[in-house]
Amino acid sequence: AQTVTQSQPEMSVQEAETVTLSCTYDTSESNYYLFWYKQPPSRQMILVIRQEAYKQQNATENRFSVNFQKAAKSFSLKISDSQLGDTAMYFCAFIVGGADGLTFGKGTHLIIQP
Amino acid sequence: NAGVTQTPKFRILKIGQSMTLQCAQDMNHNYMYWYRQDPGMGLKLIYYSVGAGITDKGEVPNGYNVSRSTTEDFPLRLELAAPSQTSVYFCASSYTAPGQGVYEQYFGPGTRLTVT
Repeated sequence: AQTVTQSQPEMSVQEAETVTLSCTYDTSESNYYLFWYKQPPSRQMILVIRQEAYKQQNATENRFSVNFQKAAKSFSLKISDSQLGDTAMYFCAFIVGGADGLTFGKGTHLIIQP
Repeated sequence: NAGVTQTPKFRILKIGQSMTLQCAQDMNHNYMYWYRQDPGMGLKLIYYSVGAGITDKGEVPNGYNVSRSTTEDFPLRLELAAPSQTSVYFCASSYTAPGQGVYEQYFGPGTRLTVT
């Protein structure tokens, strides 16, 4: 079975600080894709960042970057210069190949304090 | 583009009633998905479709049915609603082509369903 584990149910940091959210996953497949999704109180699921497992280079999107350690099956998200609008649930997810849907972790509730 | 739309936004059902959750996308995506999100949990896959006329079960399909007669629409049918089906339901779509990798899934705004 494929699983995603997010070990931090909740995190709280001050505005402008850097925060790292943890994610580990388990799969026997070699071709897969990893994602971080943000879910603000509006409930909308918003893609934050995407990583192809075959790429060694870590993905970055503005203030968001990942640390992808394939051998350790780890996929952490770093948010730099955190902003109040970053307050949300963050879900780590992956998909194998392309046919099946995403497998999600339980999420981390990130709170940015002013 | 409207993206992925879902109706209704909220619904309260009595035990044993049936209903259909509507989902439509205007991005010409071939893949569509239905997920449910229970409180404090991540999303779980109910059903998915790789194209019109083709559907398959996900992790939690019991109590649900789907059909995909067009590329745009992917309705989810609940028969004989039960309290265990109280959840938030998300529809999503994506484009995948052989040899071109997997792209992001675009999600609808969700439907909050309560069964009492």
